[in-house]
Amino acid sequence: DVKVTQSSRYLVKRTGEKVFLECVQDMDHENMFWYRQDPGLGLRLIYFSYDVKMKEKGDIPEGYSVSREKKERFSLILESASTNQTSMYLCASSFMQNGNQPQHFGDGTRLSIL
Amino acid sequence: QKEVEQDPGPLSVPEGAIVSLNCTYSNSAFQYFMWYRQYSRKGPELLMYTYSSGNKEDGRFTAQVDKSSKYISLFIRDSQPSDSATYLCAIIYFNKFYFGSGTKLNVKP
Repeated sequence: DVKVTQSSRYLVKRTGEKVFLECVQDMDHENMFWYRQDPGLGLRLIYFSYDVKMKEKGDIPEGYSVSREKKERFSLILESASTNQTSMYLCASSFMQNGNQPQHFGDGTRLSIL
Repeated sequence: QKEVEQDPGPLSVPEGAIVSLNCTYSNSAFQYFMWYRQYSRKGPELLMYTYSSGNKEDGRFTAQVDKSSKYISLFIRDSQPSDSATYLCAIIYFNKFYFGSGTKLNVKP
């Protein structure tokens, strides 16, 4: 089974802090993704990566950055946390093959910014 | 127009009922369709992955694609309280992923 592991299930931080969310997958997937999920807004793509050291902006990249130094690890960084970044953050991964392989998700990090 | 639309519900049914969850999509070129199940405070879990038209069955779950109507459905037979979750439909198109907003299902014992 595919395993996508997010480092924290729950996290509480203060405004202005730099926050790191970590994600590791064990299936040698090329693609990795970061989403946030908010009630009534569904899943919104923040950033994605097709390869090591490669990143592409999603629909809502403002206030976030990412890092992919190794194939299995994709990090989301909140440069200066703000209260409107309180949300559920979901990491996902998928194979690149033919561009039509499903994503597999981690269990999410529920982040609260106070 | 959004690429995929899904009724948010909530949908409440008695145990043992047949459940029908539905999505519509906008682009007739879409061919790969998925259903995810998401329990409260967990990540989405891949339930069904189908290609093109027709039905795919897995135990009590059947995924159906009607390309002429641009309509995808998930049927759950003999629904159980453990099926209570949010169900998201999704479409992949050349590494672009489109998700429905999710339908919340409650199966009452």
